[in-house]
Amino acid sequence: GESVGLHLPTLSVQEGDNSIINCAYSNSASDYFIWYKQESGKGPQFIIDIRSNMDKRQGQRVTVLLNKTVKHLSLQIAATQPGDSAVYFCAENTGRRALTFGSGTRLQVQP
Amino acid sequence: GAGVSQSPSNKVTEKGKDVELRCDPISGHTALYWYRQSLGQGLEFLIYFQGNSAPDKSGLPSDRFSAERTGGSVSTLTIQRTQQEDSAVYLCASSLVAAGYTFGSGTRLTVV
Repeated sequence: GESVGLHLPTLSVQEGDNSIINCAYSNSASDYFIWYKQESGKGPQFIIDIRSNMDKRQGQRVTVLLNKTVKHLSLQIAATQPGDSAVYFCAENTGRRALTFGSGTRLQVQP
Repeated sequence: GAGVSQSPSNKVTEKGKDVELRCDPISGHTALYWYRQSLGQGLEFLIYFQGNSAPDKSGLPSDRFSAERTGGSVSTLTIQRTQQEDSAVYLCASSLVAAGYTFGSGTRLTVV
């Protein structure tokens, strides 16, 4: 399918390296955050989430860090693989009934 | 079904025509969301349905946009008198609660 987000910020990493994707959020009242992965021609796919009473949460090869002081969220991917190449979005629950999404970062993994 | 199904996957329409986009959510999911994704942009919230509550239409960009959800299941997003700026990927998601969305693959709308 056709790609979305052709003009997004891009992070290029070598296969096997660790990746860090950053996201700044705007609403200090947000209490829930999610990272999504979107491959070309597909809808976003849930990766990992974190609530505001935590500052770190780990999944399989992924870690999300939350710094509420500076309203910053990051996604760390260990041992990045070619299959990790995609656009990554952070999303926050601002108190509205639907999530608010960031603008996304494209991750390119070089073999 | 096993996932969120959207149809059509691609739609090309002439400026000024009306279009209908369909979303079939995961069975049993009470919440349904429509988002729009323009090239190089993030996801823009359009509308949210939760059970029998009045929908949150606060994201609809103009009165040319409307959506309904029949029987708490299938939803249709209608765009009247389409304009070129309506060209985008329209994504539908469903969930049991406000978290844990499952997205469909989207409908790519091109207005020529």
